[in-house]
Amino acid sequence: QVQLVESGGGLVKPGGSLRLSCAASGFTFSDYYMSWIRQAPGKGLEWVSYISSSGSTIYYADSVKGRFTISRDNAKNSLYLQMNSLRAEDTAVYYCARDSTIFGVALYYMDVWGKGTTVTVSS
Amino acid sequence: EIVLTQSPGTLSLSPGERATLSCRASQSVSSSYLAWYQQKPGQAPRLLIYGASSRATGIPDRFSGSGSGTDFTLTISRLEPEDFAVYYCQQYGSSRSITFGQGTRLEIK
Repeated sequence: QVQLVESGGGLVKPGGSLRLSCAASGFTFSDYYMSWIRQAPGKGLEWVSYISSSGSTIYYADSVKGRFTISRDNAKNSLYLQMNSLRAEDTAVYYCARDSTIFGVALYYMDVWGKGTTVTVSS
Repeated sequence: EIVLTQSPGTLSLSPGERATLSCRASQSVSSSYLAWYQQKPGQAPRLLIYGASSRATGIPDRFSGSGSGTDFTLTISRLEPEDFAVYYCQQYGSSRSITFGQGTRLEIK
């Protein structure tokens, strides 16, 4: 079945780094745009970044630009989020989500979500 | 960046009643890029509606979406116990960013 499984979350000190991974299965990963979306404790959803199916097009939310890097390895069916210079406000559940890409064109809504991985930034 | 404002913040209704949730955009949004999600406690969001009015796979027909421009609506025609959750609207805009509304909590009265 179609599945996304995130990993790599944990407790990190302010200014530290963390790398999240998302393993995809049950679909042709290389055909789809992918996104990271986060949710701070008790708060709403915040889009973080998305990457095209080939990895050639990448966009970030202003709140993470210059600190976070999204990437993918289509041979490994995996999506990544490298997070540097972490701040307390980055504390959240981070979801990996699949864009409803059709014939290589992103539709910019997310039809498959992982269960999320928790990142806590605290001293 | 387009800001989405959802109302009401909390909606208290009983099973069997009709729910109407609003999502208003700070500037015009292409209907193609307006979606709605449902999120239950401890779970990931689930896609309900895309393209403003198309139901996602497996979504019951009591859920419907409508609207255009800056005003969009999610309607649940007859509430079932499993429908009580938080609902988010989401858009993609020309600024190459995705934004979500702050959510509407639908609770049992």
